[in-house]
Amino acid sequence: DAGVTQSPTHLIKTRGQHVTLRCSPISGHKSVSWYQQVLGQGPQFIFQYYEKEERGRGNFPDRFSARQFPNYSSELNVNALLLGDSALYLCASSLASQETQYFGPGTRLLVL
Amino acid sequence: AQKVTQAQTEISVVEKEDVTLDCVYETRDTTYYLFWYKQPPSGELVFLIRRNSFDEQNEISGRYSWNFQKSTSSFNFTITASQVVDSAVYFCALSRRYSGSARQLTFGSGTQLTVLP
Repeated sequence: DAGVTQSPTHLIKTRGQHVTLRCSPISGHKSVSWYQQVLGQGPQFIFQYYEKEERGRGNFPDRFSARQFPNYSSELNVNALLLGDSALYLCASSLASQETQYFGPGTRLLVL
Repeated sequence: AQKVTQAQTEISVVEKEDVTLDCVYETRDTTYYLFWYKQPPSGELVFLIRRNSFDEQNEISGRYSWNFQKSTSSFNFTITASQVVDSAVYFCALSRRYSGSARQLTFGSGTQLTVLP
């Protein structure tokens, strides 16, 4: 079975631009979570969605938003990019919001 | 507030040596889950194990073993007879477990393990 997939794998943007990252969960998984991992640190929780509803939100500014679609895939949007948004963005899926999370390969975002 | 501390930033061992990665956590919750994930250079976090807070039995899976001690809030990970392929960053993580809540993982800062041939 295919694991969690994310696109694109790499992305370069300039300050002030907007970016959309995409995630497809493992087949049968209904929950998707997003994490930001800055170089040299552990991942930081951004959002969790279950059945298309936001179930949890981390300590990130309103420039970060997300949504989940009827097929359980998800998008993470970041507006007005800052240099500090440069990071690896990880998507994780789970059967339900309380189950073990399985991670995708991530999207590496570089903001210049 | 929840917190996970991995005091060992980097560890280097020679192949076939045993190595233990330390993890200490803080939480006010009475029920919670603990996790270990492996992150190879490719970047993808690979799930290794999940433990319930009420299950303190140690676990062994092949060359991997985990020692959970609630009294010291520690969840240590031992690799026996290490191999070069074990080289990666290892993360310990903590999450809340209660009905109706999102499972927010709180990660430690990771331990970079290098196994030398």
